[in-house]
Amino acid sequence: GAGVSQSPSNKVTEKGKDVELRCDPISGHTALYWYRQSLGQGLEFLIYFQGNSAPDKSGLPSDRFSAERTGGSVSTLTIQRTQQEDSAVYLCASSFQGAGGNQPQHFGDGTRLSIL
Amino acid sequence: SQKIEQNSEALNIQEGKTATLTCNYTNYSPAYLQWYRQDPGRGPVFLLLIRENEKEKRKERLKVTFDTTLKQSLFHITASQPADSATYLCALPRRDSGYALNFGKGTSLLVTP
Repeated sequence: GAGVSQSPSNKVTEKGKDVELRCDPISGHTALYWYRQSLGQGLEFLIYFQGNSAPDKSGLPSDRFSAERTGGSVSTLTIQRTQQEDSAVYLCASSFQGAGGNQPQHFGDGTRLSIL
Repeated sequence: SQKIEQNSEALNIQEGKTATLTCNYTNYSPAYLQWYRQDPGRGPVFLLLIRENEKEKRKERLKVTFDTTLKQSLFHITASQPADSATYLCALPRRDSGYALNFGKGTSLLVTP
């Protein structure tokens, strides 16, 4: 498909386990973003990748969270030693990177993560 | 700190009427503002972007205004339809020049026949 693809769509795991969430952005989009959305809350920025530049990690809530983007395309968000408060929907978005960054972001449908 | 406020209460309107949603922000001087629509279980979908030097932007039945003095954007849906029922999110750049977005919590709109 032509949209942003995320996998898995649902993930249930036990507290303390590590999880990996995957994002396939739209081909040609140089910018990739991770957000999370907790029940009843707005989207919370986690991390942003732009081309070959160093990622903006300012939104990561703790050092248990990390992300990488290989070859400027696919991205993986890793959460180590999961906690119950990590339960949320993790959303990935991609965009072209225009001047000033004012480009629409295209979102996947997210990974619903549940920590037991 | 930077804040984005949207009406937390759901907006219920009758089909055919105009829906107006409000987005207020503080401690921002954004170069632009975006509106997204989110349906249950889905990711947000981009609707409109308005720049700081634009007062108003239209797209089909949608209209957005941007008042940088009041620090407010209004989002209007004219001739509303039940299919317009969704949560509408306002978003501003995390840094005034662009990059990732900060989102409001959204306003839920319900259009009844």
